[in-house]
Amino acid sequence: EVQLVESGGALVQPGGSLRLSCAASGFTFTSYWMSWVRQAPGKGLEWVANIKQDGSEKYYVDSVKGRFTISRDNAKNSLYLQMNSLRVEDTAVYYCAVGEVVTFWGQGTLVTVSS
Amino acid sequence: QSALTQPASVSGSPGQSITISCTGTSSDVGGYNFVSWYQQHPGKAPKLMIYEVSNRPSGVSNRFSGSKSGNTASLTISGLQTEDEADYYCGSYTTSSTQVFGPGTKVTVL
Repeated sequence: EVQLVESGGALVQPGGSLRLSCAASGFTFTSYWMSWVRQAPGKGLEWVANIKQDGSEKYYVDSVKGRFTISRDNAKNSLYLQMNSLRVEDTAVYYCAVGEVVTFWGQGTLVTVSS
Repeated sequence: QSALTQPASVSGSPGQSITISCTGTSSDVGGYNFVSWYQQHPGKAPKLMIYEVSNRPSGVSNRFSGSKSGNTASLTISGLQTEDEADYYCGSYTTSSTQVFGPGTKVTVL
């Protein structure tokens, strides 16, 4: 059974940093692109970033470029999202997801940016 | 990285069929056969319903079908059931090697 378990969400002040983690199991992690997608409260889905199987290619939505970094540790079947210079508008549930075009989603972790 | 276009809401009676449209550009929907549809119930994670325009994952009812013409993709739900009431999002691969989503369509079963 495919499982994606996100962690690391928290309340953080504007300008702060946070690192999200995603533990993957039930599939061959090294065979898939992985993505992060977020959903602000009461809003729609927004694709954030993705990373190739070997980490050699990474892509970001314009609004997070230079602030967020996606990475993965294939030895640990884990995906990460380092978020710096956080803004109020980054407040959202962040989903870890399988695929360059998402096929499976985790349950999400809530990031709240507020003073 | 503009979002795709979807109607805000669509409704139908039990047993009826409804269709949700998803309009993009030649840089996303029109340029690739990598259009997906996702169902999201309140408070839950999204679930893949259709991938690569018209393919259903294992376990998804055959009442759900997808198609594409030019820059517009469509999701049709046949034999509408109460459990189909949810938000539906389309998503597409883009020329920038990213994914873009539509704003979502709220499906109401009358």
